Amino acid sequence: QLQLQESGPGLVKPSETLSLTCTVSGGSISSSNYYWGWIRQPPGKGLEWIGSLFYSGSTYYKQSLKSRVTISVDTSKNQFSLKLSSVTAADTAVYYCARSVGVWGDYFDYWGQGTLVTVSS
Amino acid sequence: QSVLTQPPSVSGAPGQRVTISCTGSSSNIGAGYDVHWYQHLPGTAPKLLIYGNTNRPSGVPDRFSGSKSGTSASLAITGLQAEDEADYYCQSYDSSLGGSVFGGGTKLTVL
Repeated sequence: QLQLQESGPGLVKPSETLSLTCTVSGGSISSSNYYWGWIRQPPGKGLEWIGSLFYSGSTYYKQSLKSRVTISVDTSKNQFSLKLSSVTAADTAVYYCARSVGVWGDYFDYWGQGTLVTVSS
Repeated sequence: QSVLTQPPSVSGAPGQRVTISCTGSSSNIGAGYDVHWYQHLPGTAPKLLIYGNTNRPSGVPDRFSGSKSGTSASLAITGLQAEDEADYYCQSYDSSLGGSVFGGGTKLTVL
């Protein structure tokens, strides 16, 4: 059974960079059939797609976040990571990593449990 | 303000049928892009309920069904059970935004 697990600091100061890692187990991140994405949910709000990547390194980002987001992959560790720079309180959210069958609006079939990141001084 | 509009809440008694709507526009659902639905209990991983407008993943009861018409989609739940109480989200692709978009979510309360 595929499992995804997010990890990283739960508290980030304003203007700093949020860094999270998603560890994939029970399957290979190098599969050519899947993409790997990050989605977040601010408190009391809905889900927001941040971006996705293919194991080869190709990345796809939400337009409004593109200048601040970097998603990368480490196939040797079966992990992919999210970096979000210059964070503000508006970036406070539960961050999920997930697997999708494509990148253009395709569904996410496996999700991590999510990790809360709070932006505060 | 979400690109896909869902009612904030719906409710129904056990055994009843409820529907949750997801309204989009000509740049997403109306353009023919697929709609997917998720069930989400706070503190847990969202669960894929419906993909490709009408398809259920293995293990999802046939009490859950999806449909799509024009610029809208709907999730129907029949034979409502207490365990169905959760938040439900729709998802599609928006060509103007160039990425996946989600609805604002609908909280289902089983009375």
